[in-house]
Amino acid sequence: AQRVTQPEKLLSVFKGAPVELKCNYSYSGSPELFWYVQYSRQRLQLLLRHISRESIKGFTADLNKGETSFHLKKPFAQEEDSAMYYCALSGGATNKLIFGTGTLLAVQP
Amino acid sequence: DGGITQSPKYLFRKEGQNVTLSCEQNLNHDAMYWYRQDPGQGLRLIYYSQIVNDFQKGDIAEGYSVSREKKESFPLTVTSAQKNPTAFYLCASTPGAGVETQYFGPGTRLLVL
Repeated sequence: AQRVTQPEKLLSVFKGAPVELKCNYSYSGSPELFWYVQYSRQRLQLLLRHISRESIKGFTADLNKGETSFHLKKPFAQEEDSAMYYCALSGGATNKLIFGTGTLLAVQP
Repeated sequence: DGGITQSPKYLFRKEGQNVTLSCEQNLNHDAMYWYRQDPGQGLRLIYYSQIVNDFQKGDIAEGYSVSREKKESFPLTVTSAQKNPTAFYLCASTPGAGVETQYFGPGTRLLVL
């Protein structure tokens, strides 16, 4: 079965500390992986996708097919990074997204 | 800021009542989606439409219905058969039906009186 697991509901770090939001997936084929972010009072929006291999707002994520993971990382957290982060998977011919349950990142001053 | 709009922002439903949530997009996107967001459960797909006059059930379609008569509009009706409708509903669209970035609307919060 297709599944996305985000084990942490809440991750609290201090400003300047490294951040890693975990995402593991279960999928039989070659999935497309995404990270979406929802800042307070804003729409859900794409942060990054694995095929683009970009660094957005200092965040990176590497697809590890062996460990079936797509963890989101940032070396130095900023207060403005505080938000809800969702890992999502898409596979097959359609663009149906399967979302994880989300991780709330709280960056303390 | 255009793009995808949803209305109303808040909607109240009485027992046994059907209510319709509006989703409009001016992005000329072919595909549109409806998700339900519950605390601790992430987003779950209700219905999606890859092209006008065609739509498919998602993972939790029971108690919901949709139509896609126009490219820019994809309304969702929450019927009386949906026993737990209280949630935040998000509409999204993509340029095509392939694997692309989804663009989300601001959402509608549905509450049961």
